[in-house]
Amino acid sequence: NAGVMQNPRHLVRRRGQEARLRCSPMKGHSHVYWYRQLPEEGLKFMVYLQKENIIDESGMPKERFSAEFPKEGPSILRIQQVVRGDSAAYFCASSPPVGAGTDTQYFGPGTRLTVL
Amino acid sequence: AQSVTQPDIHITVSEGASLELRCNYSYGATPYLFWYVQSPGQGLQLLLKYFSGDTLVQGIKGFEAEFKRSQSSFNLRKPSVHWSDAAEYFCAVGLQTGANNLFFGTGTRLTVIP
Repeated sequence: NAGVMQNPRHLVRRRGQEARLRCSPMKGHSHVYWYRQLPEEGLKFMVYLQKENIIDESGMPKERFSAEFPKEGPSILRIQQVVRGDSAAYFCASSPPVGAGTDTQYFGPGTRLTVL
Repeated sequence: AQSVTQPDIHITVSEGASLELRCNYSYGATPYLFWYVQSPGQGLQLLLKYFSGDTLVQGIKGFEAEFKRSQSSFNLRKPSVHWSDAAEYFCAVGLQTGANNLFFGTGTRLTVIP
């Protein structure tokens, strides 16, 4: 049973470009979470999605950041017009549907974004 | 507001010695509690979790943690550390009602010396 998959593992962008990060949850999981880890810091929650719905985006910056989890395919975290301060590791986690141990989140290996 | 405190930024122990990593949380009710481990350049692996019941929980790799409500703590312990335990350890809190996201501490980096 494959774990949470994220790609790319490393992404380099120049200021002003777009970054697109992908996350495929574990098989059978329908909840996806995105977290950001700045250097020397813990993870900070960004957004929580279920299929075709954003449930909680209270941790997302108001501008340039968006997330989706379509009916088919991976969840996408998009960062438009990246700036150097966006350089971080972005982790995706997934959990099972409600009533099936939904409170345990399983993390992917992360995407390390570097903005030049 | 919820918060998680890991007071030790960096701990160094000798291989074979015992280990205790501290975690304190601030929340009005009993939260869900987790410990994750992160090896360099890797994602987070779940070590153990507490939801309810027995306050001493056993995890993988010989780790255990004890929930102490009176101290709002969830310290991680291991009786004998192995060199492969060198990593970053994160304590996290989840709420039993409301938001589904986890709140993480800033982590404790463990160095193991021979």
